[in-house]
Amino acid sequence: EVQLVESGGGLVQPGRSLRLSCTTSGFTFGDYAMSWFRQAPGKGLEWVSFIRSKAYGGTTEYAASVKGRFTISRDVSKSIAYLQMNSLKTEDTAVYYCSRTLGWPPYYFDYWGPGTLVTVSS
Amino acid sequence: QTVVTQEPSFSVSPGGTVTFTCGLSSGSVSTSYYPSWYQQTPGQAPRTLIYSTNTRSSGVPDRFSGSILGNKAALAITGVQADDESEYYCVLYMGSGIWVFGGGTKLTVL
Repeated sequence: EVQLVESGGGLVQPGRSLRLSCTTSGFTFGDYAMSWFRQAPGKGLEWVSFIRSKAYGGTTEYAASVKGRFTISRDVSKSIAYLQMNSLKTEDTAVYYCSRTLGWPPYYFDYWGPGTLVTVSS
Repeated sequence: QTVVTQEPSFSVSPGGTVTFTCGLSSGSVSTSYYPSWYQQTPGQAPRTLIYSTNTRSSGVPDRFSGSILGNKAALAITGVQADDESEYYCVLYMGSGIWVFGGGTKLTVL
């Protein structure tokens, strides 16, 4: 059974950093791309970041709203994807979700974690 | 800045049919955008419904169907049930590893 679980959320002050983890099981992690998303309170879903599988270069992409501040990475030996969030702003407050991603056609997100809440506040 | 448009809300009676659309602020949606659809109830993670325009994800009943209608992607739900009351999001693949979500459509089952 494919499972994804996010962790690492919490309360953090503006300007500080936080690292989220997406721990996976039930599939060959190295064969898949991974993505991060977020949902601010009362708002819609926003795609945040994407990392390709090693077969596709392991390269990364970011939404304009986080580019230069957030970094996605993966540890294939541990089957974990990470989202390093630096220079956090109050507007980064959201539930953060990770998903297993088909980074090749048909380009979609098939399994999701339950999310972890990040609150940026002084 | 690419904006993906969705109707903010819909209401439907149980047993009815509803069709949501997913458009672009500039241009037409085609299968090349690999439209996908996700259902989300409050406090829950999204659930994948449809991918690649019209392919149902595993376990999704055939009451849910996807298509291209005119210049937009569309999600239809037939025989609406009370537990279909959710937020529905479309996502378009813009290429180069970039996706954009629509703002979501809130479905109310009367």
